[in-house]
Amino acid sequence: QVQLVQSGAEVKKPGASVKVSCKASGYTFTSYGISWVRQAPGQGLEWMGWISAYNGNTNYAQKLQGRVTMTTDTSTSTAYMELRSLRSDDTAVYYCARAGSPNFDYWGQGTLVTVSS
Amino acid sequence: SYELTQPPSVSVSPGQTARITCSGDALPKKYAYWYQQKSGQAPVLVIYEDSKRPSGIPERFSGSSSGTMATLTISGAQVEDEADYYCYSTDSSGNHGVFGGGTKLTVL
Repeated sequence: QVQLVQSGAEVKKPGASVKVSCKASGYTFTSYGISWVRQAPGQGLEWMGWISAYNGNTNYAQKLQGRVTMTTDTSTSTAYMELRSLRSDDTAVYYCARAGSPNFDYWGQGTLVTVSS
Repeated sequence: SYELTQPPSVSVSPGQTARITCSGDALPKKYAYWYQQKSGQAPVLVIYEDSKRPSGIPERFSGSSSGTMATLTISGAQVEDEADYYCYSTDSSGNHGVFGGGTKLTVL
């Protein structure tokens, strides 16, 4: 069965960086992309970007350009999302989701990132 | 930047039909997807490519799209359908995704 398992919760100080992992299993990793979606407390879903697990091509949300980097390691079927220069409004639950057809049919369990001094 | 607009809330009685709309300028050319999110849980795909239903999703969930509006319909809504619902699509280039603001469905 398809599973996306994310790394654990993080607490970071403003200005720091965070790297969240998403390990995929149960399907051919390189046949799909991975998108990252975040949700601030009490708020809606926000699309952060997408990476092709096949060739590493990426598309990022314009508001995060320059602060976010998405990568994959095909040897371990793991996707990573790194967010730099963290601010308090980056506090959110971060989800990875399988991207393809259909889009976002499987999601990780979410990783809470708290940015606080 | 591109936006999808949803009503903040919809309320129906059990057994009634709930309709949740999503409007966006690129919807005539881009598919809409719908996700259900219950409190404290990850979202679940309920409709993809405007009107297709994933396996395991009850038949009471259906989707349609016409012009700049996509609609999620829950026919005979159940108490367990209470959740937040989000539409998703891409801008006209297809390179950037966007979620609607979400609609809280109340069934009581």
